[in-house]
Amino acid sequence: SQTIHQWPATLVQPVGSPLSLECTVEGTSNPNLYWYRQAAGRGLQLLFYSVGIGQISSEVPQNLSASRPQDRQFILSSKKLLLSDSGFYLCAWKAGGELTTGNTIYFGEGSWLTVV
Amino acid sequence: AQRVTQPEKLLSVFKGAPVELKCNYSYSGSPELFWYVQYSRQRLQLLLRHISRESIKGFTADLNKGETSFHLKKPFAQEEDSAMYYCALSASSNTGKLIFGQGTTLQVKP
Repeated sequence: SQTIHQWPATLVQPVGSPLSLECTVEGTSNPNLYWYRQAAGRGLQLLFYSVGIGQISSEVPQNLSASRPQDRQFILSSKKLLLSDSGFYLCAWKAGGELTTGNTIYFGEGSWLTVV
Repeated sequence: AQRVTQPEKLLSVFKGAPVELKCNYSYSGSPELFWYVQYSRQRLQLLLRHISRESIKGFTADLNKGETSFHLKKPFAQEEDSAMYYCALSASSNTGKLIFGQGTTLQVKP
């Protein structure tokens, strides 16, 4: 069966420090991968998605970047964190290559980031 | 522009009462709509999707294209239904991107 792991679960980082959140998926190949953020009082916002190794699409301009160095690995990074980067970050995956309707996306457990 | 709106941040009902979580969308194409749920201390998970026309845990949702709505309903709420509910729109079939509403917290009181 497929599983998704995301870490760290919680971190507190000072302003200006770097960030690296990692996500891996097991039990499937060539998944579509996503990073979402849930900021206080707001809904889930799609930050990045990837349909293949090295292919990253950014949905919103921001202080963050994403990379996909391996098929089932998705990394969210920042060189210098801002206070506004605080929030709950969710990694997600979907079986890739499907053109049929009914896209089911599966989510990781999330990472709480507090920038102080 | 593609948008999902959930007008209620919090919905509080008593056990056994009917529940309706509202969701309206804006999308120029043929929409694919979903409801996701996040119970306390659990990950976000799919509850149901309009294309399946299914009932999960007593919840149903009907796509109304005329009103551009996909409201989630349950005739008799249970305490275990207390959770955060997100309505989501799939904007593209092959990328699978989901656009979420802001979420509604459902609180079912005993």
